[in-house]
Amino acid sequence: DQQVKQNSPSLSVQEGRISILNCDYTNSMFDYFLWYKKYPAEGPTFLISISSIKDKNEDGRFTVFLNKSAKHLSLHIVPSQPGDSAVYFCAARGTGSARQLTFGSGTQLTVLP
Amino acid sequence: NAGVTQTPKFQVLKTGQSMTLQCAQDMNHNSMYWYRQDPGMGLRLIYYSASEGTTDKGEVPNGYNVSRLNKREFSLRLESAAPSQTSVYFCASSGGGSTGELFFGEGSRLTVL
Repeated sequence: DQQVKQNSPSLSVQEGRISILNCDYTNSMFDYFLWYKKYPAEGPTFLISISSIKDKNEDGRFTVFLNKSAKHLSLHIVPSQPGDSAVYFCAARGTGSARQLTFGSGTQLTVLP
Repeated sequence: NAGVTQTPKFQVLKTGQSMTLQCAQDMNHNSMYWYRQDPGMGLRLIYYSASEGTTDKGEVPNGYNVSRLNKREFSLRLESAAPSQTSVYFCASSGGGSTGELFFGEGSRLTVL
């Protein structure tokens, strides 16, 4: 039973338009949510995060929204650029000794020129 | 600025062979992690070490052992490799910041025939 789910394996968007990536979770004890970006043959890199006590966090073209009642978060990229094409992982931080992250299965974003 | 370094980057094994994946970080982080990435499964936690001298099982620990050699190094050992362990393995570290951000290595691609 996956605690963090990304139900869309892939998403294609035109350059300049908005990309919206979605993530659902089941564990209400998660205290932080993070988005990672991964290019082929590289390790994931941190993109943006949000505390469970907030509903929005913005960093340049990237905004993350959290809806705690629905246990849902989304990442908005505006405007989308071809260099944004990558796999995006949603992750949630637990309360274990190492505050380990639980990851979703990822969404492949393709931004078309 | 090395960050997290993993070796080897590629390895092919025969069923039943053993091997060790090495990981070292130079950021003075307390916590270190081993994840595996499989298609459609995202990143799954194998083992983690909250601090030097401690290790704990993650979501998928069967068939693996780990050693936290010192604060810098965290190795993952496959004692008797199986085809189901064919995967890309990522080592990560965390300094325990407020967001729980992990820093990942570039990954090690392992194929078990």
